[in-house]
Amino acid sequence: DAGVTQSPTHLIKTRGQQVTLRCSPKSGHDTVSWYQQALGQGPQFIFQYYEEEERQRGNFPDRFSGHQFPNYSSELNVNALLLGDSALYLCASSFGTGGHGPHSAFFGQGTRLTVV
Amino acid sequence: GENVEQHPSTLSVQEGDSAVIKCTYSDSASNYFPWYKQELGKGPQLIIDIRSNVGEKKDQRIAVTLNKTAKHFSLHITETQPEDSAVYFCAAKDSGYSTLTFGKGTMLLVSP
Repeated sequence: DAGVTQSPTHLIKTRGQQVTLRCSPKSGHDTVSWYQQALGQGPQFIFQYYEEEERQRGNFPDRFSGHQFPNYSSELNVNALLLGDSALYLCASSFGTGGHGPHSAFFGQGTRLTVV
Repeated sequence: GENVEQHPSTLSVQEGDSAVIKCTYSDSASNYFPWYKQELGKGPQLIIDIRSNVGEKKDQRIAVTLNKTAKHFSLHITETQPEDSAVYFCAAKDSGYSTLTFGKGTMLLVSP
């Protein structure tokens, strides 16, 4: 079992550019959530995808968007990058969502994004 | 929305001692409380979790307790080892979908 995999592991972008981060969920999982973790802080929820739809969104601007593919993998896109977008971006996968009860979420190793 | 407070922010213990990390949550409808260990440069690793219908859960040297009335839960690590050194995060599941609200983390340092 490969677990949750994310790519790339590190990325440096210039302010104003756009970036795409990728995530493959753990085998058997159908739900992908994205989190932003600033240095010294806990992860902050960005949004969650289930059945190729955004099911819930945290307090992040529209510059942050995503997509889930039929194979359950997911992308996170950030437009018009700001210096403050520099962080570790984490993907977590789980099985089922909401009314089906809580299910354990497993995280990938993250993508370290640096905006200069 | 949910708010999770975690204490202490840093904890230093000697090898073999016990360590306790405490969290409180605000949403009485939260029903799932996982704990994650994060080592430098890595993603959070799920180490134990508890659901609201259970008061305590143990897994070898790790245990978690939940007090729903007081809305707090704690992580207990016994017989600590240097490899337990890491940042530990508590989290609570929102009463809506399966999203997690995290505490700010506790840096645990275990000295040999």
